[in-house]
Amino acid sequence: DAEITQSPRHKITETGRQVTLACHQTWNHNNMFWYRQDLGHGLRLIHYSYGVQDTNKGEVSDGYSVSRSNTEDLPLTLESAASSQTSVYFCASSESQRGYEQYFGPGTRLTVT
Amino acid sequence: DQQVKQNSPSLSVQEGRISILNCDYTNSMFDYFLWYKKYPAEGPTFLISISSIKDKNEDGRFTVFLNKSAKHLSLHIVPSQPGDSAVYFCASLGNQGGKLIFGQGTELSVKP
Repeated sequence: DAEITQSPRHKITETGRQVTLACHQTWNHNNMFWYRQDLGHGLRLIHYSYGVQDTNKGEVSDGYSVSRSNTEDLPLTLESAASSQTSVYFCASSESQRGYEQYFGPGTRLTVT
Repeated sequence: DQQVKQNSPSLSVQEGRISILNCDYTNSMFDYFLWYKKYPAEGPTFLISISSIKDKNEDGRFTVFLNKSAKHLSLHIVPSQPGDSAVYFCASLGNQGGKLIFGQGTELSVKP
């Protein structure tokens, strides 16, 4: 069965470290998204991609970067982790044409100390 | 600037009764709306959607109503079951591509 996975599921890191969160989907979807979930804010879009070599900034992109070298993966990198980036991160994907319904991964809980 | 708002952070309902979750949006150009359900330690899952050309969409126990003039949509769950206890997010399709704009979420608790 097609799926979308995230790793690690939990991560503790120190302020200033570079961290990369992995997202892998086997749906063969062109669209991929990264969100963070914080209490009172819902899901906020960090970065998104509509295909290989395409990346775009979302609502809260400062301090984050992504790269899309193939269809299956969209890793999210925190260049220099800050305590404000402690959050739960979700990756999602959707079809190009019927892009409305996004399929989410299980999430990564990141704690920056 | 919150374009999609869920003003009730939580809702408690008795099993068997109706649950009504509300959502307001500000941009009249939004033309597609979705509801997602999220259990703890899991990712959100798609529940039901509605296009702006409709005012109602029904799927089993779940019905979404859209009032375009009021820029308001609601999700009705009838009858509510304990397994419906979760956080519910409404979302609208933005003006550009396949991006979704989410509300803050409402935590529903259905008590036996």
